[in-house]
Amino acid sequence: QSALTQPPSASGSLGQSVTISCTGTSSDVGDWQYVSWYRHHKGKAPKLLLYEVNRRPSGVPDRFSGSKSANTASLTVSGLQGDDEAEYFCVSYAGSNTWVFGGGTKLTVL
Amino acid sequence: EVNLVESGGGLVQPGGSLRLSCAASGFAFSDYDMHWVRQGTGGSLEWVSTFGLSGVTTYADSARGRFTISRDNADSSLFLQMDNLGVADSALYYCVRGGGGLEFDHWGQGIQVTVSS
Repeated sequence: QSALTQPPSASGSLGQSVTISCTGTSSDVGDWQYVSWYRHHKGKAPKLLLYEVNRRPSGVPDRFSGSKSANTASLTVSGLQGDDEAEYFCVSYAGSNTWVFGGGTKLTVL
Repeated sequence: EVNLVESGGGLVQPGGSLRLSCAASGFAFSDYDMHWVRQGTGGSLEWVSTFGLSGVTTYADSARGRFTISRDNADSSLFLQMDNLGVADSALYYCVRGGGGLEFDHWGQGIQVTVSS
């Protein structure tokens, strides 16, 4: 149950795009299509952005998109807005009703 | 509206116990997997335990043997009994609803657990 690897920080200018990676292993990210992404503003409950790699829940704008290749999943945030400044983390199903989280990426909007 | 409210946290000495509760409302509780997730002092999140629809319970290695998850569908409540607590268990504990795509689709605000002498 080792944590998924995310870059500790990322940044982008208002209106630009940024991509955050999430690297796991063949036992989690590489083996399942159940990767999800969350945005977490400090002091608030985390918010689901994407599930099943690239599916958006109702109400999440299409500025948020996801992909996966082998053991690495990615989240792309387009048209960066001030409110996008937050912590982002990924989660992968790892089989046998277990999950593994990424270490989190702090996104700064310049 | 889905609402998850945790309670039962606090300060406990190493080796002590705590029982967390989560009161759920706004959805058919018995139809969903429920989870506990925690955010430690370092800031990273960690899956702790799951009580699935089928009744199967699973635990992270760090929790297995010390924590027990349970639920009361009649009362729409989720619980986490935590025994033999250590300093490393100090964290903000979240009650989380599971979605159909094995995601965590709704989160509570979290409850703080501090283990210290």
